[in-house]
Amino acid sequence: EAGVTQFPSHSVIEKGQTVTLRCDPISGHDNLYWYRRVMGKEIKFLLHFVKESKQDESGMPNNRFLAERTGGTYSTLKVQPAELEDSGVYFCASSWRATGLGYTFGSGTRLTVV
Amino acid sequence: AQTVTQSQPEMSVQEAETVTLSCTYDTSENNYYLFWYKQPPSRQMILVIRQEAYKQQNATENRFSVNFQKAAKSFSLKISDSQLGDTAMYFCAFMKLPYNFNKFYFGSGTKLNVKP
Repeated sequence: EAGVTQFPSHSVIEKGQTVTLRCDPISGHDNLYWYRRVMGKEIKFLLHFVKESKQDESGMPNNRFLAERTGGTYSTLKVQPAELEDSGVYFCASSWRATGLGYTFGSGTRLTVV
Repeated sequence: AQTVTQSQPEMSVQEAETVTLSCTYDTSENNYYLFWYKQPPSRQMILVIRQEAYKQQNATENRFSVNFQKAAKSFSLKISDSQLGDTAMYFCAFMKLPYNFNKFYFGSGTKLNVKP
């Protein structure tokens, strides 16, 4: 089966621009998660979708971040406008059940804001 | 709140030798899971090993084993007979139980370099 796919793998944008990250989960996985690792720091939870609904968005840093999952398939994470502190690696993961035992992670999108 | 601390940003080991990666955590929960994840360069993060907090026996998966000290809130990973393919970032993670709709709390990672 195909894994969790993230696009793009790398993105370099200027401060103030908009960037959209995409995550394609494993087919049939209702649960989709976004995490972020700022360089050298811990990986932090951003939000959790169950199908198209946001189950938990407590980790979203501010209103410049908008996550969507239309139709309960792929998800996008838009940052508008991007700031320097948004640089980092954005991970997506999906699971069939909302447990810690069936997570599959993507390879991440490395975002650099200059 | 839960926190996970990995105090070794980077480590090196010779091929075929043994290395131990450290992880400590802080929680007021009594029931939880602990995990070690591995991310090879430019590849996806994969599960290495997990430990249920209610189990006293340390988990083992082939060359990977953990030393779980619940009272000390310590969860170290031992890699025996290190191989070049073990070169990766290693993340320690915590998830409280019951884990329905719960999220991971990760550490900052340890970059492991296995040298030939």
